[in-house]
Amino acid sequence: AQRVTQPEKLLSVFKGAPVELKCNYSYSGSPELFWYVQYSRQRLQLLLRHISRESIKGFTADLNKGETSFHLKKPFAQEEDSAMYYCALLDTGGFKTIFGAGTRLFVKA
Amino acid sequence: DTEVTQTPKHLVMGMTNKKSLKCEQHMGHRAMYWYKQKAKKPPELMFVYSYEKLSINESVPSRFSPECPNSSLLNLHLHALQPEDSALYLCASSQEAVARTEAFFGQGTRLTVV
Repeated sequence: AQRVTQPEKLLSVFKGAPVELKCNYSYSGSPELFWYVQYSRQRLQLLLRHISRESIKGFTADLNKGETSFHLKKPFAQEEDSAMYYCALLDTGGFKTIFGAGTRLFVKA
Repeated sequence: DTEVTQTPKHLVMGMTNKKSLKCEQHMGHRAMYWYKQKAKKPPELMFVYSYEKLSINESVPSRFSPECPNSSLLNLHLHALQPEDSALYLCASSQEAVARTEAFFGQGTRLTVV
C-alpha cells in the first residue's frame, strides 16, 4: 500500500536552532515526493519536490530509498517558518496526492 | 496567472439547501481535484477530473456532485448535506497526470452546515 507517515504531530524549536521534520513512505517503484506547507490563513502550497533537488527558504529534503525517508531539514529555523508541513507522495497513476498526517512546526523566539 | 481561485470563501447552508462551490484556473492544467480538509487533518481526495472527465471518485456520497464544464472550471454541487460535512473544501489543479507534477491549491471554501 502507498502510505506516508509523519511521526510528529508537533515540533517546537527555538529560533536559530536546526529543524528536521520526519517523513517515511511506503511505495513500490520510484516515488514522486513533495513537501507542502500551509501557513496560517494561507493556501496549501508546494515547498519543494525531491526531483528538483533545490533549496527553498533554506529547506532541503533528501530522498533516502534505503530508509524510505524524505526528511525536511533547515539548519537555522526562523519564526516565519511556523506552519503546518505535509509530506506527500504521488500515486502510481499520477493523479492522487497522498498526504501524511502533517507536522505543525512552531518556532519560538 | 498561477492561481487556483475558489468562490465563495465561506458558505453557511442548511441541511435542505442546494449550493455550489466554484473553482477556476487558467494555467492550462488538465487535471482538477476536489479535496475535503477537516480541522488539523490532511486533505482527503474526493474527486479527480482529467481532460474534463471524471477519473476518480473516492466513494464520496451522492449529496456531493462534481461538474467540470470546461478545462478551466470545476464545480461541486451540494445538496442535503449533513453537519459532519462541515469542512474546508479545497480545489486543486495540476498538469496532466503523466507529467507527475505537483498540485496547485486554491484558498478553499469553508463550509458550515447547520
